[in-house]
Amino acid sequence: AQTVTQSQPEMSVQEAETVTLSCTYDTSESDYYLFWYKQPPSRQMILVIRQEAYKQQNATENRFSVNFQKAAKSFSLKISDSQLGDAAMYFCAYRSMNSGNTPLVFGKGTRLSVIA
Amino acid sequence: DAMVIQNPRYQVTQFGKPVTLSCSQTLNHNVMYWYQQKSSQAPKLLFHYYDKDFNNEADTPDNFQSRRPNTSFCFLDIRSPGLGDAAMYLCATRKGTGANVLTFGAGSRLTVL
Repeated sequence: AQTVTQSQPEMSVQEAETVTLSCTYDTSESDYYLFWYKQPPSRQMILVIRQEAYKQQNATENRFSVNFQKAAKSFSLKISDSQLGDAAMYFCAYRSMNSGNTPLVFGKGTRLSVIA
Repeated sequence: DAMVIQNPRYQVTQFGKPVTLSCSQTLNHNVMYWYQQKSSQAPKLLFHYYDKDFNNEADTPDNFQSRRPNTSFCFLDIRSPGLGDAAMYLCATRKGTGANVLTFGAGSRLTVL
């Protein structure tokens, strides 16, 4: 079974600075998807960024980018120019590409605080 | 706007009193999920529907049931809530062909007294 590990329960960053959230995963599969989801306090979970394992190029969405190291099974999220609205719980998640019906496997999350 | 709507947002029930949480979607997604999320923990999958096919996770207690009368609606029934069932319940949907991104509702927070 696949597992996702987020080793940082809490992180903080100064406004306008850059922060990196760590995520590692364990799988024997070669084809899969990786995601970062953001869950603000009392608000719904939304997708931040996703990466297909077969793509070598790291995904980027505006201020959010990932460092995907397939051999190391690492998938970190970098947030540049941090804003107060970035404060949230961030979940790393894995999904197999081999079956159409497999669910997401979530890590335990990292709570990010942004300091003004 | 197409979205996933959960009702109620906040539910208070008494120990052992049945409760039903609802989820509706306008996305026409054929996969619907129910997750349980306790404070500061990762969401835990309870079960999901792929169209009408129901898939129960092996460790989901019998106390939790689900119904999906049509594509748009899915219900979570907790037959006899215990104190340990207090949590946020998240509904999510996904288009079953190709797309792999889940769209989440805002959640229903259950309190058990």
